[in-house]
Amino acid sequence: DAKTTQPTSMDCAEGRAANLPCNHSTISGNEYVYWYRQIHSQGPQYIIHGLKNNETNEMASLIITEDRKSSTLILPHATLRDTAVYYCIVRPYNAGNMLTFGGGTRLMVKP
Amino acid sequence: DAGVIQSPRHEVTEMGQEVTLRCKPISGHNSLFWYRQTMMRGLELLIYFNNNVPIDDSGMPEDRFSAKMPNASFSTLKIQPSEPRDSAVYFCAILLGEKLFFGSGTQLSVL
Repeated sequence: DAKTTQPTSMDCAEGRAANLPCNHSTISGNEYVYWYRQIHSQGPQYIIHGLKNNETNEMASLIITEDRKSSTLILPHATLRDTAVYYCIVRPYNAGNMLTFGGGTRLMVKP
Repeated sequence: DAGVIQSPRHEVTEMGQEVTLRCKPISGHNSLFWYRQTMMRGLELLIYFNNNVPIDDSGMPEDRFSAKMPNASFSTLKIQPSEPRDSAVYFCAILLGEKLFFGSGTQLSVL
């Protein structure tokens, strides 16, 4: 998997948008960007993924730059329950490839 | 996640004892992964299977670790003999489409 770089930690006020950045400057043309999060004492949970177009689902939005070297996960209205470690991962769209996690960003949503 | 059942939820054992962790995934997946998580090393991929066949076990730390997948509905991770440094949370995960679904993990403490 291509290497990703994320800030170690971030804070966000409850109700505000949380914007989590990820750098993946060595991403290949066939590699997708995936985001997972891990709430304390639980297994990681899939959030969203994309190739080059922006994506949105019920959990979040994913904005990928035109050169695909970076992306931002947006939680539009963060709640206290969004406090978690957020992992950005890049990998080819090929079921069965191993998927490795980096250090992630620890997001703290504060009242 | 209800789709991946891990047992036991917690395991406390003494150094030198054999430990067997179990994973029962729902059907429909092609790939199964075992991860280990510690504060120091984060989330590490130990081994993954495609169609019940081990593909990459380069993450297995030592020969004391072994994993099997006799069928699509069951996998085990065995540590024999266990050591205190094996204390961690062990996650099983399956790939459905392009999404990884994790179990709740087994928290292992080796005294």
